[in-house]
Amino acid sequence: NAGVMQNPRHLVRRRGQEARLRCSPMKGHSHVYWYRQLPEEGLKFMVYLQKENIIDESGMPKERFSAEFPKEGPSILRIQQVVRGDSAAYFCASSPSATKTYEQYFGPGTRLTVT
Amino acid sequence: RKEVEQDPGPFNVPEGATVAFNCTYSNSASQSFFWYRQDCRKEPKLLMSVYSSGNEDGRFTAQLNRASQYISLLIRDSKLSDSATYLCVVNYQGGKLIFGQGTELSVKP
Repeated sequence: NAGVMQNPRHLVRRRGQEARLRCSPMKGHSHVYWYRQLPEEGLKFMVYLQKENIIDESGMPKERFSAEFPKEGPSILRIQQVVRGDSAAYFCASSPSATKTYEQYFGPGTRLTVT
Repeated sequence: RKEVEQDPGPFNVPEGATVAFNCTYSNSASQSFFWYRQDCRKEPKLLMSVYSSGNEDGRFTAQLNRASQYISLLIRDSKLSDSATYLCVVNYQGGKLIFGQGTELSVKP
């Protein structure tokens, strides 16, 4: 049973470009979470999604960031017009059910570097 | 005040030592509590859940005190492979996990 998959593992973007980060949850998991870890900081919750629905986006920056989890395909975290401060590790996690949303399994992360 | 606060690190201990990590959380409505481990800023991995009755898994013992809003992790007989950053994690609102800053442990031969 494959774990949570994220790609790319490393992404380099110039300031002003767009970054697209992908996350495929574990088989049978329909709940996806995105977290960000800035250099020298802890992980911070960004957004919680179920298929085709955003459940909690309280941790998402108000501008330039968006997330989706379509009926088919991976979840996408999209960052428009990236700035140097967006450089971070972005982790995706998935959980199996609505009654166990605390039981989250993490992917290997995407390390975004903005030059 | 941070939602989850941990001991500042790093902790440098010799092999075989016993080491204790402490953590406090600010939201009394918190429902679930965990210790995660993170190696070299790779993905966090669940070490153990924490219950009010206390729980033990081999050399690791976790305790929760809801009245004091305090969580602890005790590692006995430290191994070199225990070197990592230990993250205190709390859940109180749906799927949102709140992570502490982490405490770095370095076990030396």
